[in-house]
Amino acid sequence: AQKVTQAQTEISVVEKEDVTLDCVYETRDTTYYLFWYKQPPSGELVFLIRRNSFDEQNEISGRYSWNFQKSTSSFNFTITASQVVDSAVYFCALSDSSTSGGSNYKLTFGKGTLLTVNP
Amino acid sequence: KAGVTQTPRYLIKTRGQQVTLSCSPISGHRSVSWYQQTPGQGLQFLFEYFSETQRNKGNFPGRFSGRQFSNSRSEMNVSTLELGDSALYLCASSLTGTRINNEQFFGPGTRLTVL
Repeated sequence: AQKVTQAQTEISVVEKEDVTLDCVYETRDTTYYLFWYKQPPSGELVFLIRRNSFDEQNEISGRYSWNFQKSTSSFNFTITASQVVDSAVYFCALSDSSTSGGSNYKLTFGKGTLLTVNP
Repeated sequence: KAGVTQTPRYLIKTRGQQVTLSCSPISGHRSVSWYQQTPGQGLQFLFEYFSETQRNKGNFPGRFSGRQFSNSRSEMNVSTLELGDSALYLCASSLTGTRINNEQFFGPGTRLTVL
């Protein structure tokens, strides 16, 4: 069955430190999509990135970068030079044909990692 | 373009009551999904609607139901509320929801407290 594990429940860093949030997933499908979402205290989930299972190229967007490794079923997220505004809960999520029923769409989320960046 | 809106933002009910939450998707989006978020269970999928039809349902009891209107707005209803229903209920919209890579846009959520 599909599953997403975010082993780190909480992480606390000092501003300007680099921080990596881990995500490990399980799926039987060869075609699947992985996502990261950010949830600030306001509650709204903000989309950060989507990656399909056929594209293992790492991605960088400003201070954010993602490392996708199918061999270890991991999709880790790194924030470089963290800032106080990065404080939020970060969710990793998986969508595959078993979760979506093949024709529709739902996400399986990890439990989330609470990141606190202290000034 | 306006984002996903959810009303009300906060709600307090007592056990045994019922509640209706509303979600207006992004204009042009036809798929609406609902999620429940609790500290213990995290984010869990409730159901998804597309063109007024429920296409997918999570593992929730029949007390949880929903519907979608012709303008794509969606409501979810919880009857006979229990303390454990206290949660943040998030609505997400996507353009079609027919592809597993279709990005979902989330609303701010409705915080339901059951006393």
